[in-house]
Amino acid sequence: QVQLQESGPGLVKPSQTLSLTCTVSGGSISSGGYYWSWIRQPAGKGLEWIGRIYTSGSTNYNPSLKSRVTISVDTSKNQFSLKLSSVTAADTAVYYCARDGGCTDGVCSWSWFDPWGQGTLVTVSS
Amino acid sequence: QSALTQPRSVSGSPGQSVTISCTGTSNDVGGYNYVSWYQQHPGKAPKLMIYDVSKRPSGVPDRFSGSKSGNTASLTIYGLQAEDEADYYCCSYAGFYPVVFGGGTKLTVL
Repeated sequence: QVQLQESGPGLVKPSQTLSLTCTVSGGSISSGGYYWSWIRQPAGKGLEWIGRIYTSGSTNYNPSLKSRVTISVDTSKNQFSLKLSSVTAADTAVYYCARDGGCTDGVCSWSWFDPWGQGTLVTVSS
Repeated sequence: QSALTQPRSVSGSPGQSVTISCTGTSNDVGGYNYVSWYQQHPGKAPKLMIYDVSKRPSGVPDRFSGSKSGNTASLTIYGLQAEDEADYYCCSYAGFYPVVFGGGTKLTVL
């Protein structure tokens, strides 16, 4: 079955750019009509949706983060990536990648997430 | 866009049923049949339990049931088991936004 794995630096300095990659295995990122999303969770807090990308390259972002977020896809590597610029301590969180949506019996829907990567902790500190 | 409203905590004894509510607006929960629910154990990634308001993914026990009335969605867990103790999050499509999560509910099995 499809599995996702986040990778990237665990420590980023304030004002710099956070960069993470999600590698998809067990299936092609280009097949099935899915979106691919990034979601984060500060320690002890709830989930926050960051944004998503379709394999065509079409993106949607959380308006509260939109000015700082870029999500891209590399279908040749079966990966999608997150860049978050001008980070502060408030961006310290576990970052998850997840497959977004799917189709059952020809009926498709989105904005639900399965499967998820295991998550990667990113700390913003000097 | 505000987060969806969930109770901070609920509890129940083994074998009982519990319901977790998720209240939004006509711009999210009330406007679309795209509510999903996630179970998260400490230190683990969230797990999809319900999508499209009431659909269960393969492998999720039928003790988990989702529903919606107006701007409020609900997750009901029947026959509570010790392993159900976890945090639960609701999520909804929100049109232009387009995804909003609830603040999370801690379920304690007494």
